[in-house]
Amino acid sequence: ETGVTQTPRHLVMGMTNKKSLKCEQHLGHNAMYWYKQSAKKPLELMFVYNFKEQTENNSVPSRFSPECPNSSHLFLHLHTLQPEDSALYLCASSQDGRNEQYFGPGTRLTVT
Amino acid sequence: GQSLEQPSEVTAVEGAIVQINCTYQTSGFYGLSWYQQHDGGAPTFLSYNALDGLEETGRFSSFLSRSDSYGYLLLQELQMKDSASYFCAVRDRTGGFKTIFGAGTRLFVKA
Repeated sequence: ETGVTQTPRHLVMGMTNKKSLKCEQHLGHNAMYWYKQSAKKPLELMFVYNFKEQTENNSVPSRFSPECPNSSHLFLHLHTLQPEDSALYLCASSQDGRNEQYFGPGTRLTVT
Repeated sequence: GQSLEQPSEVTAVEGAIVQINCTYQTSGFYGLSWYQQHDGGAPTFLSYNALDGLEETGRFSSFLSRSDSYGYLLLQELQMKDSASYFCAVRDRTGGFKTIFGAGTRLFVKA
């Protein structure tokens, strides 16, 4: 238990669906991240929020839309996804200025 | 650009010592981290090196040589539970201190 929770843990969606992934951290951190993890590939940073402000958008397609209403919660809104978007989506948090990131268990997403 | 290289797989026996290497290319190197990830689990932070030398934490040690753009993770007295993927990650000050991960090394520990 790292203090970072993610829901749902598994999600299957069609290409025309709209769904959202949720992340919550109970560590008092002020930076939150979304990563995509595909088989045999490096963790890909998608978005970074510092103090609720988006500071990084790593050329992510617009079908992924992040939202950070406060420093404890982070959402990833999904719409019209493609089968190649199937992956493990990991949320992480850190204290600004500190190196170590704390990861949630991830959401295993399958797009059919 | 930025890149990290680490072996895709390593196999070792219980009780042995194993070293997982990581070489990196980055323009604004700030530090090197290591993370462990078991199957179905979340990556967990193991260590961080910003300066050259060896950092020891129990059975795990991490080494950095900034002049060689190289680091390694050393696991001693291997246990079956150490079977996992190990990722090196570079913290890069370019563009606001991003963390870039390697593809991971899958460690298999055999009895």
